[in-house]
Amino acid sequence: EADIYQTPRYLVIGTGKKITLECSQTMGHDKMYWYQQDPGMELHLIHYSYGVNSTEKGDLSSESTVSRIRTEHFPLTLESARPSHTSQYLCASSSPTGTSGAQETQYFGPGTRLLVL
Amino acid sequence: KNQVEQSPQSLIILEGKNCTLQCNYTVSPFSNLRWYKQDTGRGPVSLTIMTFSENTKSNGRYTATLDADTKQSSLHITASQLSDSASYICVVSDRGSTLGRLYFGRGTQLTVWP
Repeated sequence: EADIYQTPRYLVIGTGKKITLECSQTMGHDKMYWYQQDPGMELHLIHYSYGVNSTEKGDLSSESTVSRIRTEHFPLTLESARPSHTSQYLCASSSPTGTSGAQETQYFGPGTRLLVL
Repeated sequence: KNQVEQSPQSLIILEGKNCTLQCNYTVSPFSNLRWYKQDTGRGPVSLTIMTFSENTKSNGRYTATLDADTKQSSLHITASQLSDSASYICVVSDRGSTLGRLYFGRGTQLTVWP
């Protein structure tokens, strides 16, 4: 079981509210990721970070923002939630494995299920 | 276009039976292929990882195969248990960037009935 945590696990909120989804890991991993996953669909990368003060946008355009002030913490913020933001959000972190470090294994948190009314 | 296709989309089997899940990919260049298990309401957990030179890898009752020439992989589950009910996701990594970009399949939803 990986040491990566997400809170809250479930969130129901009204349109226009500001929300922050928390993600923390105790494995000392430099790389962290946020994915969005709808039921029956593949995971889509929305943000990632190589380390402290590094943040990049992923493949799927998202109105959310992230910050990486500490290695272990990678929160995601939505300034004004909308029903289209309803989804599951998965946080992950990774460390390089294998002789070349190319075989990164990602460890996922339990996810936050967000419902925007 | 880099894609990962999985079949079947869903599968129901009886406890104790074996099953095989398929993954076809068009990702190039290829670095490695992973199978993840995702329980309902949880994050994915890695089962196996295979590089270009590996054609089979086992993890308990799970055995993954890889044919890099035909770009196909399979996950075989032996003597299924109720706890095997989950979504099984095939993930392929390329070598196109330092991030090692990942391409996710939509998963096969497996249900094991008693």
